[in-house]
Amino acid sequence: DTGVSQNPRHKITKRGQNVTFRCDPISEHNRLYWYRQTLGQGPEFLTYFQNEAQLEKSRLLSDRFSAERPKGSFSTLEIQRTEQGDSAMYLCASSLVAGAGGTQYFGPGTRLTVL
Amino acid sequence: AQTVTQSQPEMSVQEAETVTLSCTYDTSESDYYLFWYKQPPSRQMILVIRQEAYKQQNATENRFSVNFQKAAKSFSLKISDSQLGDAAMYFCAYRSARGDMRFGAGTRLTVKP
Repeated sequence: DTGVSQNPRHKITKRGQNVTFRCDPISEHNRLYWYRQTLGQGPEFLTYFQNEAQLEKSRLLSDRFSAERPKGSFSTLEIQRTEQGDSAMYLCASSLVAGAGGTQYFGPGTRLTVL
Repeated sequence: AQTVTQSQPEMSVQEAETVTLSCTYDTSESDYYLFWYKQPPSRQMILVIRQEAYKQQNATENRFSVNFQKAAKSFSLKISDSQLGDAAMYFCAYRSARGDMRFGAGTRLTVKP
């Protein structure tokens, strides 16, 4: 399977705990995006990387959120001191900078439940 | 900021019939891309069709086609010969030249046998 993969697929945590999600993009893709999707809504942009550089962060990405892509391959999204409002599906997508309109291909997502 | 509006929260179509999903967007940019994504109940987003803003010709992918009206900032999706497997949430998305993407709230499509 050469698609975007995300781990874990589901995460249940207690309020105040830290969680970390991983995304492995399509191997030749140099851009990687994180989105958050709540029930009944479209995905909301959080941040994106070109290679290892984080180029843009949404104001939705509070200081409790941090994302890294240290070697320009996989990426991690960490949420510190989780709150119930963080419960959502976290989606990762990857693309080439140019070509095919920079079409983004999505992973299956990580569903976070904060109790 | 760019916004994407899908005014139809739910749509229903009879199997083998045609349905059109609406999308409008707001932007001051001239260079952008528009997409329709499908999200079945398993929740993985799948690309349906893509349209480059600089192209006047409407994109077509098999049973899926778009009606792109740049001046009106409208981007509707037509599904012909609807199949049961087309049932899903459909999201319209706008991608700026920078790369970040904005999604509409989605339209839930039901296909009746």
